[in-house]
Amino acid sequence: GAGVSQSPSNKVTEKGKDVELRCDPISGHTALYWYRQSLGQGLEFLIYFQGNSAPDKSGLPSDRFSAERTGGSVSTLTIQRTQQEDSAVYLCASSLGPPGPGETQYFGPGTRLLVL
Amino acid sequence: QKEVEQNSGPLSVPEGAIASLNCTYSDRVSQSFFWYRQYSGKSPELIMSIYSNGDKEDGRFTAQLNKASQYVSLLIRDSQPSDSATYLCAVNMFRSGAGSYQLTFGKGTKLSVIP
Repeated sequence: GAGVSQSPSNKVTEKGKDVELRCDPISGHTALYWYRQSLGQGLEFLIYFQGNSAPDKSGLPSDRFSAERTGGSVSTLTIQRTQQEDSAVYLCASSLGPPGPGETQYFGPGTRLLVL
Repeated sequence: QKEVEQNSGPLSVPEGAIASLNCTYSDRVSQSFFWYRQYSGKSPELIMSIYSNGDKEDGRFTAQLNKASQYVSLLIRDSQPSDSATYLCAVNMFRSGAGSYQLTFGKGTKLSVIP
């Protein structure tokens, strides 16, 4: 079946502008995750959604970052007033159930964000 | 203290050799461990998962887990140039503050298989 999809694949923006990144998880997957990967760095957890529960926002680096998930499916990550240090690849993943022993996350292709 | 540690490499092995990738983790009660492969400019792709002590084999890949030593490794037999990538170790850790598990990644080991 179809995997996790993300759009856009690349985004170039000017410092101070807002950007929206979209993620469409694997059909039937209840959990959705956002990560950030900066050049030469590991994956940094940002936020996690499980069904209709309140999201785990513990990884969001500042209040300029927010995310929502509508109808338990598609998610949008919004970065307001972008800064150059926000330049990174933003990866979305989904899993069938909540994160836990044995639960596997599958990644989308990512959105490469460049803030000029 | 870093929670998942990997040697960043690069690790260079000749074609046909065994590549050995290592990972240590800090959370003693972790139960799920994953290896992802990431080609340059691509997203991580799951190649192995392991939950019990010992070895788990899948084709040319073998994952090894030693919970007492908090150590997990990945062996790639008969290494091919197409195996050249960054290998990410990931550990499912319980975050008491968040009240949920979170997949924590190492920074990855870059593997180069030389033809």
